[in-house]
This record gives sequence, C-alpha cells and structure tokens, in this order.
Amino acid sequence: GDSVTQMEGPVTLSEEAFLTINCTYTATGYPSLFWYVQYPGEGLQLLLKATKADDKGSNKGFEATYRKETTSFHLEKGSVQVSDSAVYFCALFTGNQFYFGTGTSLTVIP
Amino acid sequence: SAVISQKPSRDICQRGTSLTIQCQVDSQVTMMFWYRQQPGQSLTLIATANQGSEATYESGFVIDKFPISRPNLTFSTLTVSNMSPEDSSIYLCSAKRGSGAYEQYFGPGTRLTVT
Repeated sequence: GDSVTQMEGPVTLSEEAFLTINCTYTATGYPSLFWYVQYPGEGLQLLLKATKADDKGSNKGFEATYRKETTSFHLEKGSVQVSDSAVYFCALFTGNQFYFGTGTSLTVIP
Repeated sequence: SAVISQKPSRDICQRGTSLTIQCQVDSQVTMMFWYRQQPGQSLTLIATANQGSEATYESGFVIDKFPISRPNLTFSTLTVSNMSPEDSSIYLCSAKRGSGAYEQYFGPGTRLTVT
C-alpha cells in the first residue's frame, strides 16, 4: 500500500548548520508530496509541496525536490535557525487521502 | 487559508467515560477529517466527516467507539467513547477545500490522557 518512510529523529543541530531530513515513499500512480511542520503547541502547517516529478518545492529557506527515480522527497536547508526547531512531517497525497511519515523532531541550539 | 480551532486543548479523563472534541473552521470547507497522533508515530486517519451524512471510517475505527458529527460546513465533533488508557493520544481535526491535492489545514490538536 501507499506509505511514507521518514528519517527518525531526534535531530539536534547547531545554528547555521546544514539540514537534511530524508523521506522516501511508496505509491501507485503519481502522488503529490508535501512537507508539514509542527511547532510546539500548534497544529501542522504546510511548509512546501511538489505535485510532479522534478518539481522543487521551497519556502522559508527549505527546499525539497520530487525525485521519481529514487522515490524520494528529502527536505534541506542550508543554514538552520533556532526558530526552525519543530517536528517535520513528510506526506503524500494519492488522490484519495494523505499518508504521513512518523515525523522528525529537530532542535537547533544557539 | 483556513484557521481551525479545537476544544478542549487537553483533558485528563477516567477510564470508561467519554469525551467530545469540537472542531471549528473559520470558513466553509469541503472536507473535514479526524486524525490520531500517538507519541512517536505517524498521523492515523480515523474518519472523514461528511456533512449531513454518516462519517466514513478507516479500517480499525468504528462508529460506536468514535461517533462523529458534522452538522454544517464549518463544524465537526469527535467523541471518544468508553475510554481506556490506550486512547491516550493527540486528536487532530483537519480540513481541505477540495478533493484534489490542495493544502490540508490542521487544528492545534486535543491532547487526551486517560487514567
């Protein structure tokens, strides 16, 4: 069935470090791919999305490229800030419903 | 965008009791959903709340345990019935405007602890 596998955390980085959170998926057809972020005490918020192969989603310095050949949608940011500390969820939409990864907790220390 | 609020934000309940969680969206939406987020696990879809008709439940979830109402296009409730400690979780309300790959909005969640 359709599913998302996400890099396990927690991840702790120093401010200005490079971030990669791996996400791979299994799906029939051509899903849309998403990254959601959940700040402490808040609901999930859409961070970025890509709807077809080779699309790059970007927002707030974060990027992810839809790689059909490797079925991946890794999240990257060149220089993290303390305010990026949150839980990040990779998700796919198959035309019927969303499937979410288990979430990766990121803590950025000054 | 859509802003979703949930009440209560958290509760501690005794085994065998029931809790109703309310979800309010600030604008009309096509689809509303209820998820469960257990610690260290992925979000699990409980059901799709259908306006004016019975909710559509996912495998492993039944109406007797999780009755859902959706009286209009902006409001839904989820009841967790006859609770046990295994029901301790975060329950999230979610909404979408269309049936395609549109952004799905989430409420802040209700953190439930059953003792």
